[in-house]
Amino acid sequence: GIQVEQSPPDLILQEGANSTLRCNFSDSVNNLQWFHQNPWGQLINLFYIPSGTKQNGRLSATTVATERYSLLYISSSQTTDSGVYFCAVEPPGGSEKLVFGKGTKLTVNP
Amino acid sequence: EPEVTQTPSHQVTQMGQEVILRCVPISNHLYFYWYRQILGQKVEFLVSFYNNEISEKSEIFDDQFSVERPDGSNFTLKIRSTKLEDSAMYFCASQPLGLAGTDTQYFGPGTRLTVL
Repeated sequence: GIQVEQSPPDLILQEGANSTLRCNFSDSVNNLQWFHQNPWGQLINLFYIPSGTKQNGRLSATTVATERYSLLYISSSQTTDSGVYFCAVEPPGGSEKLVFGKGTKLTVNP
Repeated sequence: EPEVTQTPSHQVTQMGQEVILRCVPISNHLYFYWYRQILGQKVEFLVSFYNNEISEKSEIFDDQFSVERPDGSNFTLKIRSTKLEDSAMYFCASQPLGLAGTDTQYFGPGTRLTVL
């Protein structure tokens, strides 16, 4: 099945710093979503981005489908950005499920 | 903004007991899903449901699991005889369009199941 690799696995930042999280996938995808899992375990939708670039406040994402990767940018990070960021893809071939990566654990220190 | 809701938020049960986890998907959504996340691990797909039947299931979703949409709003996951390894966070998700893969899956807040 499709493989989803996220890097780095862990990231520690000072408040105000910028960061880039990467998601590589091994096959073409019908859907790609980025999630933030907060300390209470909730999965918060950040972006639906199978291709192209989107921005939402301090967050933006770019997916280059032909090269099978997606990037999540966080600018001017805040302590509330801490948590685990997951990339999830929907593989081709009629499967509807999302296949998740292992996540990047982000810690933003004050 | 409409949300997927799940109840209970936390369920503690004894090994061998049956549990039912409940979800209310976003109204007018057509696809429904259950995923689980064992503590510290990644989120894993369990089952998808469309047009009142299972459309896909993973190898995790064995005979101990079942899903049902008993009325027009609820979507349930039943585990018949829980095992210790069923302890996990269970997420329900729903998707709006008839063509999966063309829109966002929206996740509920999760039910944390603890099997003792």
